[in-house]
Amino acid sequence: NAGVTQTPKFQVLKTGQSMTLQCAQDMNHNSMYWYRQDPGMGLRLIYYSASEGTTDKGEVPNGYNVSRLNKREFSLRLESAAPSQTSVYFCASSEVWRGANYGYTFGSGTRLTVV
Amino acid sequence: RKEVEQDPGPFNVPEGATVAFNCTYSNSASQSFFWYRQDCRKEPKLLMSVYSSGNEDGRFTAQLNRASQYISLLIRDSKLSDSATYLCVVNRGTGGFKTIFGAGTRLFVKA
Repeated sequence: NAGVTQTPKFQVLKTGQSMTLQCAQDMNHNSMYWYRQDPGMGLRLIYYSASEGTTDKGEVPNGYNVSRLNKREFSLRLESAAPSQTSVYFCASSEVWRGANYGYTFGSGTRLTVV
Repeated sequence: RKEVEQDPGPFNVPEGATVAFNCTYSNSASQSFFWYRQDCRKEPKLLMSVYSSGNEDGRFTAQLNRASQYISLLIRDSKLSDSATYLCVVNRGTGGFKTIFGAGTRLFVKA
């Protein structure tokens, strides 16, 4: 039972480079999310997808794009990386039933450094 | 002021101690509440939901005080393996997109 799988686990980029973080879940959850976590701050939502075919901005969407490829997969793209995007990125999925969220399952994270 | 606030700690306690964490939230319309545990350099994992009547799971007890807008987590008989960061999570409304994470409280349990 893999849960949420995200790749890569580590990445170093030069300023201006682009990359895509991949995420897949096998729990048949409708909702998927991308968060970033910085020291001393809580997890901050970048983008989310309430269901297949929909995506919406979260708290800190600037500099990112997402694609909900199908029910299982939700990718995050950095088009032109900046040092401010150095962070740990987590993908998550959740069961949402009758509008109530029943808790997240997170991937193991991607540690991204932009130099 | 942050919407969800936690004491960052760290809390340093001996094995067997009882330790309590509080978390305050500012949005009175918040509807559901959770505690997550995050080990060093790992992903957060759901520890327990917090219900209005209070709930217990083994050595862990969670309570909600809507009037004062805070939730708490009590850990009894602390184990070395309890050392982690504990995240308070508040759903402002329905759906995950209104979920706010606290920055976490670090706990170190020492032998």
